[in-house]
Amino acid sequence: EDKVVQSPLSLVVHEGDTVTLNCSYEVTNFRSLLWYKQEKKAPTFLFMLTSSGIEKKSGRLSSILDKKELFSILNITATQTGDSAIYLCGPMKTSYDKVIFGPGTSLSVIP
Amino acid sequence: GAVVSQHPSRVICKSGTSVKIECRSLDFQATTMFWYRQFPKKSLMLMATSNEGSKATYEQGVEKDKFLINHASLTLSTLTVTSAHPEDSSFYICSASPSGNQPQHFGDGTRLSIL
Repeated sequence: EDKVVQSPLSLVVHEGDTVTLNCSYEVTNFRSLLWYKQEKKAPTFLFMLTSSGIEKKSGRLSSILDKKELFSILNITATQTGDSAIYLCGPMKTSYDKVIFGPGTSLSVIP
Repeated sequence: GAVVSQHPSRVICKSGTSVKIECRSLDFQATTMFWYRQFPKKSLMLMATSNEGSKATYEQGVEKDKFLINHASLTLSTLTVTSAHPEDSSFYICSASPSGNQPQHFGDGTRLSIL
């Protein structure tokens, strides 16, 4: 059975802090791993990782995948209150490209 | 690009009513769309994969007769919650991607409340 674990499940930090969100997975027919940010409604896409060891960056956010150890991390530096959201990671399977999401990490950034 | 539209955004109805939710890809064609359900402060639970021109593929534990999915065209998939009951109240959200091995783009979701 496919399994996705995220940690921590909840996190409260102060503005300016750096956070690391973890995602481990066990899925059959793995293709890629995706990270999304969900605030109120639709999740918005952050990163898609297909190869191990290649860091992807977008502003203060970065992410990397380890396909041997079956995990990924999402880093956010110099956090801002606008980073407060639920961060979802989801391995994409080769069958239909369906994505199985983890439980999410709820991040709260306080001024 | 890659915009997914979902309608309606909110539905409140009586128990026993059937409710139809539409998911449209506005600027691309999608042979596959996905339907998720999300409980408060919980993650997205994949319900089914909607395939254009063929039957949907349901995840284990999802009742096919309860959640009817139709994917009649390359830009439209519909989810019908049949004879809805209060336990079906939830946030339903769809997604699609323009091509294979690409990120999914999500609709804004439908909040369903059954009284």
